[in-house]
Amino acid sequence: AQRVTQPEKLLSVFKGAPVELKCNYSYSGSPELFWYVQYSRQRLQLLLRHISRESIKGFTADLNKGETSFHLKKPFAQEEDSAMYYCALTYSGNTGKLIFGQGTTLQVKP
Amino acid sequence: GAGVSQSPSNKVTEKGKDVELRCDPISGHTALYWYRQSLGQGLEFLIYFQGNSAPDKSGLPSDRFSAERTGGSVSTLTIQRTQQEDSAVYLCASSLTPMGYEQYFGPGTRLTVT
Repeated sequence: AQRVTQPEKLLSVFKGAPVELKCNYSYSGSPELFWYVQYSRQRLQLLLRHISRESIKGFTADLNKGETSFHLKKPFAQEEDSAMYYCALTYSGNTGKLIFGQGTTLQVKP
Repeated sequence: GAGVSQSPSNKVTEKGKDVELRCDPISGHTALYWYRQSLGQGLEFLIYFQGNSAPDKSGLPSDRFSAERTGGSVSTLTIQRTQQEDSAVYLCASSLTPMGYEQYFGPGTRLTVT
């Protein structure tokens, strides 16, 4: 079955440090992968998706099909990056429904 | 324009009662999804509506859960004979079309079953 794994429940870093939130998936075909973010007391929102290959708020993520990974990276963390991050997968024929990982809380300390 | 809205924002109910949760998607969005966010299970897909097509109910956890979407717009998720394990935040999302597009999430309904 398709699955998304985020191995870290909590990632704590200091402001200015690099950040990498890990995401691994299991799907044998061509997935569509997303990162969604939920800031405190805000609704879940899209951060970025692999098909657009863009950088949002300094974050990037590269799909590595060989390692079945889609890790989220930022070279210099900011305090306002503190939030819950979810990696999600969908695929053709799946009606677009998202399969989410368990989420990683990113805590950026001053 | 307005985003996805959900009501009520909070609902406390007694075990065994029925509850209805409402979702108003973004106007013009043909795809509508319900998800459940709970401590033990993370974010889980429940049901999907697309236009006049038959809904994808594959994520509904039991036959106590049902949903409908009237006129291709507003959706209602109904939970009958609520159980304590139904306590969760129920999220609605809409999308312009199903595949490859951003899903816009509502603020959620926090359901507590006592």
